[in-house]
Amino acid sequence: SQTIHQWPATLVQPVGSPLSLECTVEGTSNPNLYWYRQAAGRGLQLLFYSVGIGQISSEVPQNLSASRPQDRQFILSSKKLLLSDSGFYLCAWSAFPGGSNQPQHFGDGTRLSIL
Amino acid sequence: QKEVEQNSGPLSVPEGAIASLNCTYSDRGSQSFFWYRQYSGKSPELIMSIYSNGDKEDGRFTAQLNKASQYVSLLIRDSQPSDSATYLCAVNERANFNKFYFGSGTKLNVKP
Repeated sequence: SQTIHQWPATLVQPVGSPLSLECTVEGTSNPNLYWYRQAAGRGLQLLFYSVGIGQISSEVPQNLSASRPQDRQFILSSKKLLLSDSGFYLCAWSAFPGGSNQPQHFGDGTRLSIL
Repeated sequence: QKEVEQNSGPLSVPEGAIASLNCTYSDRGSQSFFWYRQYSGKSPELIMSIYSNGDKEDGRFTAQLNKASQYVSLLIRDSQPSDSATYLCAVNERANFNKFYFGSGTKLNVKP
């Protein structure tokens, strides 16, 4: 069966520091991968998605970036964190080729607090 | 910008009652619709998917889809306190079915 790993679970970072969050998927090949951010009490905001190695689509202009160095690895990065980057970061995957009927499955998330 | 609208709640129902959660969407060409449950502090968990007009039942859960009205709902029968969570509606985009739009969720409280 497929599993998705996301780490760390919690992270406290000072303003202006760099960020690297990692997500890996097991048990499937060539998945679609996603990064979402959820502010407290809010819905999910799609940040990036990828349909293949090196293919990244950015949804929201910001100081974050994403990379997919390997088929089942998705990394979210920032060179300088802002206070507004605080939130719950979720990685998700869906099967490829997806067609229109493939659901997304989420990792356990990283709770990021910026001080 | 595609929109998915949900009543934020909280929706309070007594234990054993039917909880009805509603969602409307703006992209008329959307093909796939999903309901996720999110417990406080946890990540969303897929509970139902529906692709065709009508009802789809899975245990105590029934998803209902009406594409003409751009409306999808989730019914939870025999609600239990363990069903207390936020329920997120997700809709895929017609032009890019890899992309989902999520509603902000409806918080459900099931009172013992």
